[in-house]
Amino acid sequence: GAGVSQSPSNKVTEKGKDVELRCDPISGHTALYWYRQSLGQGLEFLIYFQGNSAPDKSGLPSDRFSAERTGGSVSTLTIQRTQQEDSAVYLCASSLAAGVGYGYTFGSGTRLTVV
Amino acid sequence: AQKITQTQPGMFVQEKEAVTLDCTYDTSDPSYGLFWYKQPSSGEMIFLIYQGSYDQQNATEGRYSLNFQKARKSANLVISASQLGDSAMYFCAMREGGTGGFKTIFGAGTRLFVKA
Repeated sequence: GAGVSQSPSNKVTEKGKDVELRCDPISGHTALYWYRQSLGQGLEFLIYFQGNSAPDKSGLPSDRFSAERTGGSVSTLTIQRTQQEDSAVYLCASSLAAGVGYGYTFGSGTRLTVV
Repeated sequence: AQKITQTQPGMFVQEKEAVTLDCTYDTSDPSYGLFWYKQPSSGEMIFLIYQGSYDQQNATEGRYSLNFQKARKSANLVISASQLGDSAMYFCAMREGGTGGFKTIFGAGTRLFVKA
């Protein structure tokens, strides 16, 4: 597609429920990233996928968080047993490749609210 | 370890004047890229400018320029002729080429207010 698409744009869930956030990157972009942005804060790296390589999961805050990328395209971030501290905007980005010079194109984000 | 520091939580500038947003970084990797992103109140992240660690000249993109001082490990963003639409959050970011694994880390951001 023309840009990075994320869905849903907003999600309100009850504490303890599982949620799935979806990211559809730009066609042809081999690298895909998930970040979390809490209110008024910077971006916290979560996970990164590059082609068929094993993902870099070093930023996932707990084992309640997981992500997959199917067919080198669409990615799903899953949060199990959500907690109130999981409330944030979850941003997905893609880049043409993973080299140092490749800037990101970001999606509009999913605003997750855990009540 | 990678680190990005933006020491100015908020900045004010008069419309049509220039403003410099500070960014310092720390890395032991000789190959890295430095980026600036803009985040308006609508929330989307917009790529502004890129500087490679081996680039000899400072990067420029329209009204944006990056003042790259490698020895000082600083990568300040200069916005010339500020416009009201420049009011936004600005993030400095860095990506290492080796052990960093190509993930980009972001600073805490600087909120810029442009006054009419």
